[in-house]
Amino acid sequence: AQKITQTQPGMFVQEKEAVTLDCTYDTSDPSYGLFWYKQPSSGEMIFLIYQGSYDQQNATEGRYSLNFQKARKSANLVISASQLGDSAMYFCAMREGDTGRRALTFGSGTRLQVQP
Amino acid sequence: EAEVAQSPRYKITEKSQAVAFWCDPISGHATLYWYRQILGQGPELLVQFQDESVVDDSQLPKDRFSAERLKGVDSTLKIQPAELGDSAMYLCASSRKQSSGANVLTFGAGSRLTVL
Repeated sequence: AQKITQTQPGMFVQEKEAVTLDCTYDTSDPSYGLFWYKQPSSGEMIFLIYQGSYDQQNATEGRYSLNFQKARKSANLVISASQLGDSAMYFCAMREGDTGRRALTFGSGTRLQVQP
Repeated sequence: EAEVAQSPRYKITEKSQAVAFWCDPISGHATLYWYRQILGQGPELLVQFQDESVVDDSQLPKDRFSAERLKGVDSTLKIQPAELGDSAMYLCASSRKQSSGANVLTFGAGSRLTVL
């Protein structure tokens, strides 16, 4: 079974509008972390935001926020006020366990295109 | 901020040839990961090191792939012989703990391999 599912292969958004990228996950471990990474066409993976399974509040980092719904096992990324530079691939990832050293498991990604 | 260094950035080789990739993680990062990303997909873990020891190589095709991190610092990933299906981006990452407590993977720019 897929541990991380991203159902949107591609998304379009108008500049300055908000966009939500979907991510659902599957784990039986009570302790886990959820991550979002951005991958521009250059190829480098850029860390955006993190949410721990025990965190009570949704994570926020500037224009990025994570809509964490634990019961539904979803961790959607919200980008507010989209900019042209936000056009990229976006990957949701999960680390299971509480040691903090396990590798991340990634979803298949969503390609976001911001239109002027 | 310090970066994860990878080389070469691009490599074109013929099938059956040997190829090697090098990674120098951020200083002091004990955990090092090699991921493979096939075009249009998310990264998949090949091998994880903790210092010089292999923690997880369950997804490494050991008949042709090898990885080492002899002194627990930089690492080399080798493919011999290369096959057409090995064409992909090879990403190296090392991890650090953020102020939030999350252990975040920092990725290098990647090595893009094309096998002809």
